Amino acid sequence: NAGVTQTPKFQVLKTGQSMTLQCAQDMNHNSMYWYRQDPGMGLRLIYYSASEGTTDKGEVPNGYNVSRLNKREFSLRLESAAPSQTSVYFCASSSDRSYGYTFGSGTRLTVV
Amino acid sequence: AQKVTQAQTEISVVEKEDVTLDCVYETRDTTYYLFWYKQPPSGELVFLIRRNSFDEQNEISGRYSWNFQKSTSSFNFTITASQVVDSAVYFCALSEARSNYQLIWGAGTKLIIKP
Repeated sequence: NAGVTQTPKFQVLKTGQSMTLQCAQDMNHNSMYWYRQDPGMGLRLIYYSASEGTTDKGEVPNGYNVSRLNKREFSLRLESAAPSQTSVYFCASSSDRSYGYTFGSGTRLTVV
Repeated sequence: AQKVTQAQTEISVVEKEDVTLDCVYETRDTTYYLFWYKQPPSGELVFLIRRNSFDEQNEISGRYSWNFQKSTSSFNFTITASQVVDSAVYFCALSEARSNYQLIWGAGTKLIIKP
C-alpha cells in the first residue's frame, strides 16, 4: 500500500539507550516531518525536512537528531533516551507545503 | 497565543444526533490553509479536508460538512446523524506562509458517540 511506513510500532528503551526510528514514504513527496504526541498536548513538531538534503528544527528538537537519507527516507534518532521522551511518534510527508500531510501509523515509545 | 483554538475538549452525544466541532484560528496572512484530521482510537491520523483561504464555499461529504467563515475566523465541522464509528479525536490545523506552511495544530476535540 502506498503511504508512509514507520518502524518499529512499539519500543521500550532503558534510560540512556539510543535508537533510531525509521520512516519511508513512496509517494514522491518532497517534505517529511517528525512529530510527537503526548496526552493532552496535541502534536508537536520535532524536526522537518522541506526537501532532500535539508533538515530544520521544529518546536521540540532537543534530544533528537534526524537524517534525510534520500527523498524517501527520514529517520529520527534518540542518542540518549530519557523518560521525558516517552511518547507516540508520528512521521508524515507532504507533496507541497500547503497540502495536507499523510501520516504513518505511529511508534509508541516508552523509556523506563 | 494559540493560533488554532478548539475550545471543546470533549463532546459526548447519543448516536444519530448531529454534532458540531468548533475551530477558531488566528492569522495575518491572506493566503492560508485549514485542515481537519481524525484520530480514531486505533491511533492513526486521517486527513479529512483541506480548505484554502480564498474558498469560503461550504463543503459536504456524506454526513460530514464544513463551514468556513473568514468573518469569524472559524472553520467548524459538523457530523450529521452521528455514528459510533465517528468516535475519535478531531484536530483542526492551520498552515500559513509566515510559519513556512508548517501545520499549526489545535489541541483536539474528543468526540464520544454513545450507542
